[in-house]
Amino acid sequence: SQKIEQNSEALNIQEGKTATLTCNYTNYSPAYLQWYRQDPGRGPVFLLLIRENEKEKRKERLKVTFDTTLKQSLFHITASQPADSATYLCALLRDSNYQLIWGAGTKLIIKP
Amino acid sequence: DTGVSQNPRHKITKRGQNVTFRCDPISEHNRLYWYRQTLGQGPEFLTYFQNEAQLEKSRLLSDRFSAERPKGSFSTLEIQRTEQGDSAMYLCASSPQGATQTNGQFFGPGTRLTVL
Repeated sequence: SQKIEQNSEALNIQEGKTATLTCNYTNYSPAYLQWYRQDPGRGPVFLLLIRENEKEKRKERLKVTFDTTLKQSLFHITASQPADSATYLCALLRDSNYQLIWGAGTKLIIKP
Repeated sequence: DTGVSQNPRHKITKRGQNVTFRCDPISEHNRLYWYRQTLGQGPEFLTYFQNEAQLEKSRLLSDRFSAERPKGSFSTLEIQRTEQGDSAMYLCASSPQGATQTNGQFFGPGTRLTVL
């Protein structure tokens, strides 16, 4: 069955450092991979999308990589700030299928 | 506010009761999605509408769950004969057609259901 794995343990990072989150998937060949941020008690907020034929995508302090051979995406936040503390979710989309398949998310804590 | 709105934000009900949630998507979005999320998990797909047509329903969804989008605008999700296992956050999201691949989905704040 399709499976998406994100680090279940919280990631603690010192302010100013780069935070790197991992998303691994199996038994799936996504055309698109998306990253969302979710704060407690709120719905996810879309951050970045990367296509299967793209290796890297950047947006301000955010960078996403996509390795279809390793079946892995890495999500980086550079110059991290306490306001970046949240849960980050990855989601896969296959071709033009509307249905997103979600990981459980990784909680990121940026310490001042 | 032009974002996705959901009502109520919180619902506490007794086991066996019926509950109904409402979602108002972003006005120009013709796609609408319902998800369920439990603590420590990612959203779980429930169903999807394109305009007023319900195009997909999760096989995980029991017959106690029904959703409608009668005029292609707002949507309702009804749970009949609620069970304690239905306790979760119910999320609604919307997107323009063809844009999920580029701009993601826009989520509402969710309705938190507690079944006693």
